[in-house]
Parts: sequence; C-alpha cells; structure tokens
Amino acid sequence: SQQGEEDPQALSIQEGENATMNCSYKTSINNLQWYRQNSGRGLVHLILIRSNEREKHSGRLRVTLDTSKKSSSLLITASRAADTASYFCAAPSGGSYIPTFGRGTSLIVHP
Amino acid sequence: DTEVTQTPKHLVMGMTNKKSLKCEQHMGHRAMYWYKQKAKKPPELMFVYSYEKLSINESVPSRFSPECPNSSLLNLHLHALQPEDSALYLCASSQAIGQIYEQYFGPGTRLTVT
Repeated sequence: SQQGEEDPQALSIQEGENATMNCSYKTSINNLQWYRQNSGRGLVHLILIRSNEREKHSGRLRVTLDTSKKSSSLLITASRAADTASYFCAAPSGGSYIPTFGRGTSLIVHP
Repeated sequence: DTEVTQTPKHLVMGMTNKKSLKCEQHMGHRAMYWYKQKAKKPPELMFVYSYEKLSINESVPSRFSPECPNSSLLNLHLHALQPEDSALYLCASSQAIGQIYEQYFGPGTRLTVT
C-alpha cells in the first residue's frame, strides 16, 4: 500500500524561484528518500534522510523530516528549467526496508 | 559504474507473444527489483531478488515471470499479456535489502500490448 502522499500534485514556477514539495506518510519509518523522474524515464535518487535526522542538504536541495508530524519536505532553491520533472518521496512500510513511492509532485519550471 | 541498463527501450507485443525484458548492473549489488509504472502514477513494486533468490512477489499475475540468472542480470519474461499491462517497466538495484540503501534505477522499458 502507498506510504507517502505528496503535496501539491502539480507545481508551476518561474526559473530562479524556490520550489517546495511536501510528503506525508502513515506509519513510523526508519528513513525517507526523495527521487526525481524526468518524463518517461528512470528515477534518480536525490537524498536519503534517516529517522534520527531533521534536515539534510545536497547542493540546491534541502530536505527536512518531522517524525512527530509524519511529514517531510523537499526544497529546491533557485530553480532551473532543467529541474522540470516529477518528484517522489519513498518510505518503507510494514517494517520493511523497501520503499513505497508516493504519487509524486509534477514540477514545471518556466525559463 | 553506477549504471543500470535495460533492454529493449521500447517493446510492442501482441497478447499471444512471448517476450523478455532484460536488466543489468555491474555495481556488485545483491538486490534487484522490478517495478511497473503507469502514466502519471508512482512505480509499483512487482518483484525483489536478494542474492539471486526471489524474496518478494507482490501478488503479480503469473503471466509475468522473473528470473535472476546471476548477480548482475535480471530478466522479466512476458507471456499472454493484456492491454492493461502496457506500462513503463523499471528495473532497480541496491546494495542489499534488510537495511537502508538507496536504489539505482534503469531508464525503463516502455511496453505496449496490442
């Protein structure tokens, strides 16, 4: 069953603006991951955040995790047209370590 | 080499055909996965292999038959598929299962069943 739910489902911004996507999950987790998928292609791993971490950075990406609210956010700063893609959060469920993907946020960055 | 390759990129097959999808990785990963993804939906897990043994089968119909001939290769044999099986089939690998590992995905095979 689906563990993560992203919000918003779609986001349209101008180049240079920041993009924030949220993910809520249902059950306790040991980690949460974010992936990017360009149209009709494979997924690319962006960041993994463990349950004992609150924030993690990678380049222009910032991920936060709030285990008390069962939610995570992905912030892309100074967005570029090349950031146009679908972004998925993925978290394990049912005691498994294998992540289940949320429905994703479709991000469009206009040049 | 952090690449997972999949062949073919596109496949069109009739409902009576038998075809196979192939996946390969040379990262020394011991876990390999098959996912199915419909348009505008998230990837759905189909099968997981761990150390070349089938570890998870997510109640996938028997017309999909996975095979892991060795630690680098993963096949998905297709037979008597239905039009609703048309989708993007993604292969992934990770160092192992049972702990927290990131997954590396291939570019996928776009399957159309006519």
